[in-house]
Amino acid sequence: EVQLVESGGGLVQPGRSLKLSCAASGFTFSNYGMAWVRQTPTKGLEWVASISAGGGYTYYRDSVKGRFTISRDNAKNTQYLQMDSLRSEDTATYYCARHPLGDFDYWGQGVMVTVSS
Amino acid sequence: DIVLTQSPATLSVTPGESVSLSCRASQGISTSIHWYQQKSNESPRLLIKFASQSISGIPSRFSGSGSGTDFTLSINRVESEDFSVYYCQQSYSLLTFGSGTKLEIK
Repeated sequence: EVQLVESGGGLVQPGRSLKLSCAASGFTFSNYGMAWVRQTPTKGLEWVASISAGGGYTYYRDSVKGRFTISRDNAKNTQYLQMDSLRSEDTATYYCARHPLGDFDYWGQGVMVTVSS
Repeated sequence: DIVLTQSPATLSVTPGESVSLSCRASQGISTSIHWYQQKSNESPRLLIKFASQSISGIPSRFSGSGSGTDFTLSINRVESEDFSVYYCQQSYSLLTFGSGTKLEIK
């Protein structure tokens, strides 16, 4: 059974950093691209970043470029999202998702990130 | 960015009815559209990929069609567990989601 478990969310002040983790199990992690997707009541679902199976290619939405870094450790079956210079508009539930091609075929339960002073 | 417009925003139906949900892209995207269901307080679940490809474990009453700019998710004979929000997502150019259609009980 595919499982994706996020951790690392919480309350953080604007301008500070936070690192999310996603532990994967139930599939060969190193064979799949992965992604982070966030959701808010006002903006809905937003793709944040993606990483290729081997980690050599990364992609970001414009609003997080230069502030967020997606990475993965295939030996640990884990992907990460380092979020720096956080803004109030980054407040959201962040989902880890498996990203085989264009779709997101499995999702984690989500982790809440709140950016507020 | 490619904008996906879903309609209607809310659809009220009686269990047993069949429904069609629409997703229109701001430019042609071939068949690079995917559909998700999200129940309250749950994560999204993939229903259909690449416009019409079925997903293992998803009931056969869910089907997808369309290409270019107009896409449809059809639910044949809606069941009580189907009342939730449905999203489309495109992967033709970067990745964007529609704003969702809420399927509610009439």
